[in-house]
Amino acid sequence: GAVVSQHPSRVICKSGTSVKIECRSLDFQATTMFWYRQFPKKSLMLMATSNEGSKATYEQGVEKDKFLINHASLTLSTLTVTSAHPEDSSFYICSATGQGDTGELFFGEGSRLTVL
Amino acid sequence: GQQLNQSPQSMFIQEGEDVSMNCTSSSIFNTWLWYKQDPGEGPVLLIALYKAGELTSNGRLTAQFGITRKDSFLNISASIPSDVGIYFCAGSNSGYALNFGKGTSLLVTP
Repeated sequence: GAVVSQHPSRVICKSGTSVKIECRSLDFQATTMFWYRQFPKKSLMLMATSNEGSKATYEQGVEKDKFLINHASLTLSTLTVTSAHPEDSSFYICSATGQGDTGELFFGEGSRLTVL
Repeated sequence: GQQLNQSPQSMFIQEGEDVSMNCTSSSIFNTWLWYKQDPGEGPVLLIALYKAGELTSNGRLTAQFGITRKDSFLNISASIPSDVGIYFCAGSNSGYALNFGKGTSLLVTP
């Protein structure tokens, strides 16, 4: 299947700092990427949908100024958690759908963010 | 997005047993997907279903797309310890993000 790579896999930061997480599609062009957040033992919650070259669409309750998403190319989307707080600690997962629109999503490995 | 109803929430079985889990929705989906997630990892796609009534196998895994397009099941035959993990169902309508079930946690004892 298609490969989506996410970096970093783990990050620990101090409260008040910003953290950037990258999501790359390695062997296909991802016209649309999705960012999910997952709390321990819970399902994945969609945060936002980003289309290459346009502004991301955020789900209700997700602060767009808090979680900045950039999808500048067909192979890269970034999520920046700004002014991080301990409650932002979570597992963030990106996914991508390629051209052809089969409905399949391929996921990155996830990034574990811990805010001290 | 809409939350799918996935059951059971957890299963604790012995190696060699068969496993069945299912997902239902009040809405119709064009695609049903089953993922497995290991701790600290992103979900990995197991099986994708595209047509109502479709029955698809992937090794010891078999999944079906319900005829009403509102449900799907996943069966695992002759379970082995490495089947341990959380299994998520997901429904999709082309071009839209997935709607996930809450997951089924599977534990397999040798």
